[in-house]
Amino acid sequence: DAGVTQSPTHLIKTRGQQVTLRCSPKSGHDTVSWYQQALGQGPQFIFQYYEEEERQRGNFPDRFSGHQFPNYSSELNVNALLLGDSALYLCASSYPSPHSTARGYGYTFGSGTRLTVV
Amino acid sequence: AQTVTQSQPEMSVQEAETVTLSCTYDTSENNYYLFWYKQPPSRQMILVIRQEAYKQQNATENRFSVNFQKAAKSFSLKISDSQLGDTAMYFCAFEEYNTDKLIFGTGTRLQVFP
Repeated sequence: DAGVTQSPTHLIKTRGQQVTLRCSPKSGHDTVSWYQQALGQGPQFIFQYYEEEERQRGNFPDRFSGHQFPNYSSELNVNALLLGDSALYLCASSYPSPHSTARGYGYTFGSGTRLTVV
Repeated sequence: AQTVTQSQPEMSVQEAETVTLSCTYDTSENNYYLFWYKQPPSRQMILVIRQEAYKQQNATENRFSVNFQKAAKSFSLKISDSQLGDTAMYFCAFEEYNTDKLIFGTGTRLQVFP
């Protein structure tokens, strides 16, 4: 049973550039959430996608956008990269509430993409 | 806004001993979930244990148990018989019921020594 797959594992970008990160959810999951984890910090919620639409969003600027495809995979796009965007970006897949009667157990995290902006 | 606070940036424990990691949170909600996640060097977040706020009984999972004090908004994790493989970052997290959004603390780095 494949877990959450994220690509690439690492990448380096220059300030001002754009980046796309990819996530394939766990088999059977149809909801994808993205988190940003800065060095030495806990993950922060960016947004969540369900049925190819953004379902909810955290406190991130519009430079952060996403997409979900019919096969439930998802992309995170960041435009006009800033040095402060350097972080580990985690993807988590789940069943959406209220279908998931066991919250928390429904989240499966990937190993993340380490983005460095120089 | 809900917040999660982990006041211990680093902890260490000798193998086979017991260690307790602290977590406090702030919310005005009555229905929510609390979690402890482990993040080893592989970076993947792994669920350790989960507590539903309406359950008074403290959750346990093998060597891991919690002390949930709802009135005090405290949620500590006790690791018994610590093993070298327990070395990792540990994050306390909160989820308001039906929001599908986790709020994490800043983490505690646990080092288990032989």
